[in-house]
Amino acid sequence: EDQVTQSPEALRLQEGESSSLNCSYTVSGLRGLFWYRQDPGKGPEFLFTLYSAGEEKEKERLKATLTKKESFLHITAPKPEDSATYLCAVQAPRSYIPTFGRGTSLIVHP
Amino acid sequence: DAGVIQSPRHEVTEMGQEVTLRCKPISGHDYLFWYRQTMMRGLELLIYFNNNVPIDDSGMPEDRFSAKMPNASFSTLKIQPSEPRDSAVYFCASSLGLAGGDTQYFGPGTRLTVL
Repeated sequence: EDQVTQSPEALRLQEGESSSLNCSYTVSGLRGLFWYRQDPGKGPEFLFTLYSAGEEKEKERLKATLTKKESFLHITAPKPEDSATYLCAVQAPRSYIPTFGRGTSLIVHP
Repeated sequence: DAGVIQSPRHEVTEMGQEVTLRCKPISGHDYLFWYRQTMMRGLELLIYFNNNVPIDDSGMPEDRFSAKMPNASFSTLKIQPSEPRDSAVYFCASSLGLAGGDTQYFGPGTRLTVL
């Protein structure tokens, strides 16, 4: 069974304190890996899609990277408005439907 | 486009009552998904449609749950009878396709509380 594990479950940072969130997966032949941001009371909002090992995508203070077994979401000099839950989802060739991880809840203190 | 629209945003009902959740996908999207999110289990896929036809309902927890998509712009998820363990946030999402680059766009969700 495909597994997607995100760590840590929760992360508290001070404003400006850079860190990384991890998403590890056991899918063979990854079709795509997605990162979403979810604010309280809202639906997940798409951030990035990564397709192959070595690929990187950036958006403002966020950078997503991908290896053969995991993805990292790097947050550089975070601001309080970056506080949210970050979800990772992987897409296997045989199912097409993304499997979501449980998410990392990030709180950035001013 | 207004994005995926869901109604109601909040629903409080008593055990045994019928609950109907509604979704309007993004125009032009061929795929529609229903998810359930809880603290214990995270985000789970319940069912998805392609061009209004249900393709995979293996995630539907039991026969009390049913979903329909009578046309390209409307879908419902019905729970009858409802139980307290059905309390969760239910999301509808839509996408152009299932290829790696076809992003799922989520609605704001319906928070269901069954007393």
